Amino acid sequence: DADVTQTPRNRITKTGKRIMLECSQTKGHDRMYWYRQDPGLGLRLIYYSFDVKDINKGEISDGYSVSRQAQAKFSLSLESAIPNQTALYFCATSEGVDYGYTFGSGTRLTVV
Amino acid sequence: EDQVTQSPEALRLQEGESSSLNCSYTVSGLRGLFWYRQDPGKGPEFLFTLYSAGEEKEKERLKATLTKKESFLHITAPKPEDSATYLCAVQASQGNLIFGKGTKLSVKP
Repeated sequence: DADVTQTPRNRITKTGKRIMLECSQTKGHDRMYWYRQDPGLGLRLIYYSFDVKDINKGEISDGYSVSRQAQAKFSLSLESAIPNQTALYFCATSEGVDYGYTFGSGTRLTVV
Repeated sequence: EDQVTQSPEALRLQEGESSSLNCSYTVSGLRGLFWYRQDPGKGPEFLFTLYSAGEEKEKERLKATLTKKESFLHITAPKPEDSATYLCAVQASQGNLIFGKGTKLSVKP
């Protein structure tokens, strides 16, 4: 099994729909992150969590919400999807401040 | 404001033609500079972490170096399988990573 698993891998949804992207990790790390990647814009941080009770907004949190259900699970929700949320979404985990991230394989989301 | 700029945006090399990728950064108190490799449709894969100016790290044909203002990823005698997008990131004061937009490397046989 992969260290970081994201579901679904691909999703097409309609404008206005609520959608949840799920992430689970087997690394045993406390820190988890959600990024989105757009061509020409790179990876941008949406939300991050340093433990189950700690949730922080990132650079581009508007229109998104998250839930940290357990140490291993961190979900990202789009309450009312809009077309400019079409992007590749990545979940990541890290052991601590000075350590690199382990990324999932991504969810490609298309909002039509 | 913490910022990471990578250049060039794209680089085409012939197999065996060595070159370097650049990552310049501005950050208040560098806690770490990270290099990742990303293949199409996949998540970034960790390559190196550098912590202080003068530090170097190597992995196969890749060598990363760090100065006070920038980092270089040197690719020696690249092969087609080195083709990927290479991402640079710095550790922000809150502990999260700030990424550059990446350099897309293509190595032709």
